[in-house]
This record gives sequence, C-alpha cells and structure tokens, in this order.
Amino acid sequence: DAGVTQSPTHLIKTRGQHVTLRCSPISGHKSVSWYQQVLGQGPQFIFQYYEKEERGRGNFPDRFSARQFPNYSSELNVNALLLGDSALYLCASKSTTGNQPQHFGDGTRLSIL
Amino acid sequence: QQQVKQSPQSLIVQKGGISIINCAYENTAFDYFPWYQQFPGKGPALLIAIRPDVSEKKEGRFTISFNKSAKQFSLHIMDSQPGDSATYFCAPFSGTYKYIFGTGTRLKVLA
Repeated sequence: DAGVTQSPTHLIKTRGQHVTLRCSPISGHKSVSWYQQVLGQGPQFIFQYYEKEERGRGNFPDRFSARQFPNYSSELNVNALLLGDSALYLCASKSTTGNQPQHFGDGTRLSIL
Repeated sequence: QQQVKQSPQSLIVQKGGISIINCAYENTAFDYFPWYQQFPGKGPALLIAIRPDVSEKKEGRFTISFNKSAKQFSLHIMDSQPGDSATYFCAPFSGTYKYIFGTGTRLKVLA
C-alpha cells in the first residue's frame, strides 16, 4: 500500500509569493494534518482536517490556510511568503477508527529567497 | 499544559550500547505516547508507541517505559547500531488535542 505522498518534494519561492502544497493520505485515512518543521526543531502543528472540515489549528497566522477534498487529499496554502516560512512541510494521515498513530509523508522542502 | 520536554538534545553512543531518551509532559489528557524516528530528508516514522494502561512495551531492541504519576516516558534502544543514528521525537497526544512534538534528540551511534 502506498504511504502518504506529498508534492512537490522541493520548491523555491521568493518573498511575497504564494505557494500550494499537496498531500494524498494513505488509502482509507480520512484525517489529514499539516506540520511545519524548521531545521533542527520538532514538527509544529498547523492544521488538522477530517471529513473536509478543519478540526484543529495551531498558532500560525492567517496567511496559512488549508482544505480537504472529497477524496480526502489536502492542500496547504501559504500567502505572502516570508523568509521565515522556509521549512519542511509535513503531511500526516491517520485512521479515525480507534486511537491510531499518524503516518507522515516525506514532506515538501520550501525555500524562500 | 501542552508543553513537552525531551532530553537529551543530543546523544553519542558506542555500537552495542544502550541509548536512553526521555520525554516529560504536562497535559494529563494525553492518552497515546509514541516515539518517532526521523532520518535526514525523510518524514518522521512511527517507531513504537504505548498506551497509559501499561508501564512498559518492548518491540525488538526498542522499549518504551511509561511512568504515569511522573508524567514521563522514555525510549530505550538496546544494542544500538550505526543505522539507528537519527533524530528521535516523542509526540504524546489525545484525540481531542493538537499533536505536540518534543524538541527532538539527535542520536549518533559510533561504529
């Protein structure tokens, strides 16, 4: 079975631009979460989506938004990019049956010039 | 109440030695206690996890010890191997909470 897949793997943008990152969860997983991991730090929670609704939000500005589609895939959008947005963006999916662990993709490395 | 403290920040162990990483939390609502392993350029991968109704869980060379009263849990890697060199994160959570990752422990196992 395929794991969590994210695209693109790498992305270079300039300050002020907008970016869209994509995530396909493991088949059967209806919950998708997004994390930002700055180099040398642990992942920081951005959003959780379940059944196309936002279920949780971390301490990130409104420039960050996300959505989940009927097939449970998800997009993370970041507007007005800042240098500090340079990070690895991770997507995780989990089964909503019982208390199951999250499974992560390998992330999108976003570099802001 | 969502703070998670992980120690040590970095660890160097000889091949065949025991690696021990600790995680302390404050939120008593956490009910699932996983450890994730992350290699450079990869996403975190679930290594081993424990639920609060048991005090210890062993899977191969990896053991979690859980102390509910102290609000701590630890990862023990027995017979550490160079291939275990990675960054390890604790990430306790409950179904109603944001997922909280520790700050990470960079483990290096010397050959």
